[in-house]
Amino acid sequence: ETGVTQTPRHLVMGMTNKKSLKCEQHLGHNAMYWYKQSAKKPLELMFVYNFKEQTENNSVPSRFSPECPNSSHLFLHLHTLQPEDSALYLCASSQERTRRTGELFFGEGSRLTVL
Amino acid sequence: SQKIEQNSEALNIQEGKTATLTCNYTNYSPAYLQWYRQDPGRGPVFLLLIRENEKEKRKERLKVTFDTTLKQSLFHITASQPADSATYLCALGDTGGFKTIFGAGTRLFVKA
Repeated sequence: ETGVTQTPRHLVMGMTNKKSLKCEQHLGHNAMYWYKQSAKKPLELMFVYNFKEQTENNSVPSRFSPECPNSSHLFLHLHTLQPEDSALYLCASSQERTRRTGELFFGEGSRLTVL
Repeated sequence: SQKIEQNSEALNIQEGKTATLTCNYTNYSPAYLQWYRQDPGRGPVFLLLIRENEKEKRKERLKVTFDTTLKQSLFHITASQPADSATYLCALGDTGGFKTIFGAGTRLFVKA
């Protein structure tokens, strides 16, 4: 059982819908991440939060809106998405560290399909 | 721009043989390199980390080498088993932030 839980596991939405992805980590970590994984492409870092503060926004379109209310929870709010946004969205966490390890703990992902 | 290259073609090997996967990178001087395993429809799972000042790391049947001059890492699975069949991802990071970048992965099939 993973220490990082993502819900829902599968989501189908229309281009005009608003939905949210949720991530919860039970590992006591303080950094949380959103990655996007499209078929045959590398994982793309979207956002990073450290101690609830956003430290990375990798030029992500504003139709993706992250929220981190505390170090254990991370949300990705979705609105007016495009079909090319269909992908596996992965949440990960890591421990604040000397930044010499960077081991990431991933959830199982939320498979998003935009119609 | 920073780039990680992994063999996009699947690697097919016979059970019991050693699987060797390659990771090459450009325009980057990472502080560490990681390998993850990903099964279909699942999130990646961390396997091994090797730091810039290390040449080789072992963990059970896994061995990783890191050549910062060649900008290459090799990932070996000895005595491979069908259960080792998965996609293996190479990732690089530095000490300056939280930005870990990934390769697209290599799919490994181990035949019984």
